[in-house]
Amino acid sequence: DGGITQSPKYLFRKEGQNVTLSCEQNLNHDAMYWYRQDPGQGLRLIYYSQIVNDFQKGDIAEGYSVSREKKESFPLTVTSAQKNPTAFYLCASSLALYNEQFFGPGTRLTVL
Amino acid sequence: SQQGEEDPQALSIQEGENATMNCSYKTSINNLQWYRQNSGRGLVHLILIRSNEREKHSGRLRVTLDTSKKSSSLLITASRAADTASYFCALYGAGGTSYGKLTFGQGTILTVHP
Repeated sequence: DGGITQSPKYLFRKEGQNVTLSCEQNLNHDAMYWYRQDPGQGLRLIYYSQIVNDFQKGDIAEGYSVSREKKESFPLTVTSAQKNPTAFYLCASSLALYNEQFFGPGTRLTVL
Repeated sequence: SQQGEEDPQALSIQEGENATMNCSYKTSINNLQWYRQNSGRGLVHLILIRSNEREKHSGRLRVTLDTSKKSSSLLITASRAADTASYFCALYGAGGTSYGKLTFGQGTILTVHP
């Protein structure tokens, strides 16, 4: 089955801890994205990657970091510098920029 | 901001009726996309319409784009209870600081009553 997976589905973290969210795709897509969604809101772009070993900041990159060492994988680290990290995080991929995006099921992060 | 603004914020209809959602924006676009999200789930792509296109269809979905008015609409015909979801417009700007960034609106919550 082709698709995009995110793990874990639910994640709990104590304040001051870094946490890494996983995103994997087997669609052979070049571009990958991370979004944050808060209750009742639309999605806001955190980081995106057009190609392996390259990534760009989105609109709300502060307190987050990413890597793109493999085409299939685009992990997101939520650092302790992110002031309000509790949110629903969505990963997506597309064949290239400007194309339709395919989304994973999301990870719900709660900071205790 | 590139963000689209959606109207209405919430829409409640009966099964069989048509549902229309609107999206307005302020800058030039490369393309505009519509997505659907069921509660607590990932988004599903519905339709992509390019800046040089005026109308696209997919099954019961019809999307129009009026670049002179900077607006788009999504029409769902003969709605079903299973269409209950949040619908988002998202747009790719034509360039500059918006390069590569798909910007989402706040969404319209559609409820279809059986």
